[in-house]
Amino acid sequence: QVQLVESGGGVVQPGGSLRLSCTASGFSFNSYGTHWVRQAPGKGLEWVAFIRYDGNNKYYADYVKGRFTISRDNSKNTLYLQMDSLRVEDTAVYYCAKDWPNWASDIWGQGTMVTVSS
Amino acid sequence: QSALTQPRSVSGSPGQSVTISCTGTSSDVGGYNCVSWYQQHPGKAPKLMIYDVSKRPSGVPDRFSGSKSGNTASLTISGLQAEDEADYYCCSYAGSYTLVFGTGTKVTVL
Repeated sequence: QVQLVESGGGVVQPGGSLRLSCTASGFSFNSYGTHWVRQAPGKGLEWVAFIRYDGNNKYYADYVKGRFTISRDNSKNTLYLQMDSLRVEDTAVYYCAKDWPNWASDIWGQGTMVTVSS
Repeated sequence: QSALTQPRSVSGSPGQSVTISCTGTSSDVGGYNCVSWYQQHPGKAPKLMIYDVSKRPSGVPDRFSGSKSGNTASLTISGLQAEDEADYYCCSYAGSYTLVFGTGTKVTVL
């Protein structure tokens, strides 16, 4: 079964850190780039970051650059998002999504909720 | 990285057609044929409906079609059905390995 499963969400105080994971199954994870996309409560989708299939290149939206780090371990079929210096406005459901084809995403995880609150 | 502009809502009766616009700039929608559309039901993950402006993934009904003219992309749903009621988001490659999503449109089936 082709799927992505996120984990690691939770409640954290402003300024804190959290690491999200996304585990892939049913397809060749090491052949595809992968995105993190978030959605604040009641709001629209917002692209966060992208990592190429081999992990050698990483790209970020300006609003997370310098605070978030995307990485992957192809031996574990797992994508990560290390989130540091969290802000209230980072509160959202975070989705991982497989990149295919041509900057579209055909496979999405179910999402994991991150709440930044004091 | 400003969000692409979509109408907040569109509506139609069963069997009718509705079109959702997605307006960007020459740096995103107008500059690349990498526009995709997603359907999202409440509490669910987005589902890819259109990619490369007008291509449908396997399993997506041919009632869904996409097009682009200049800096504006469009999604048309023909023969509207009750299950089409959802939020729809456009997305475009914006250069330098970045993406930008639209503001989202709620489709209501009357």
